[in-house]
Amino acid sequence: KAGVTQTPRYLIKTRGQQVTLSCSPISGHRSVSWYQQTPGQGLQFLFEYFSETQRNKGNFPGRFSGRQFSNSRSEMNVSTLELGDSALYLCASSAPRTGELFFGEGSRLTVL
Amino acid sequence: GNSVTQMEGPVTLSEEAFLTINCTYTATGYPSLFWYVQYPGEGLQLLLKATKADDKGSNKGFEATYRKETTSFHLEKGSVQVSDSAVYFCALAGTASKLTFGTGTRLQVTL
Repeated sequence: KAGVTQTPRYLIKTRGQQVTLSCSPISGHRSVSWYQQTPGQGLQFLFEYFSETQRNKGNFPGRFSGRQFSNSRSEMNVSTLELGDSALYLCASSAPRTGELFFGEGSRLTVL
Repeated sequence: GNSVTQMEGPVTLSEEAFLTINCTYTATGYPSLFWYVQYPGEGLQLLLKATKADDKGSNKGFEATYRKETTSFHLEKGSVQVSDSAVYFCALAGTASKLTFGTGTRLQVTL
């Protein structure tokens, strides 16, 4: 059974640009959530999508957005990048019966 | 709001030593509690969980008991191996898939 797949794994952007990250959940998982991991702030919840609807949102500015498609794949977008957005962005899909989260390996974003 | 406090790392142990990583939490109600492990260059893997008070989660020799009285969920292992070197995160479940994580504790096991 394939795990959670995130692309790209690594990317470098400059300030002011925007970035889109993709996440393919485990087959049959309809809930996808996103987390930001930085050395200073640790792991912080960004948002969660279920059946194409945002169900929960963390405390991040509006520059951070996401969406989910009918096949449960999800994307997150960060506009007007700032240096502080450099982080590992982790996606997790949730098992339907147990709610257990399965994490991908992450997309490491560096903003120069 | 919810919060999780973990002991600061790094924790350095010799192989076969006993491990304890402390975790305490603040939350309303009785949330499910988790320990996740992150190996270098990888995402998070669920290590163990407990869903109610006095539950003991266990996996791969690691154990943690949900202590409601002390709001704690300390991680223990009787004999660590070099392959256990990783960062360990304590977490609690809020609404839906929103987990609140501790800051992580880096464990380094040496021969």
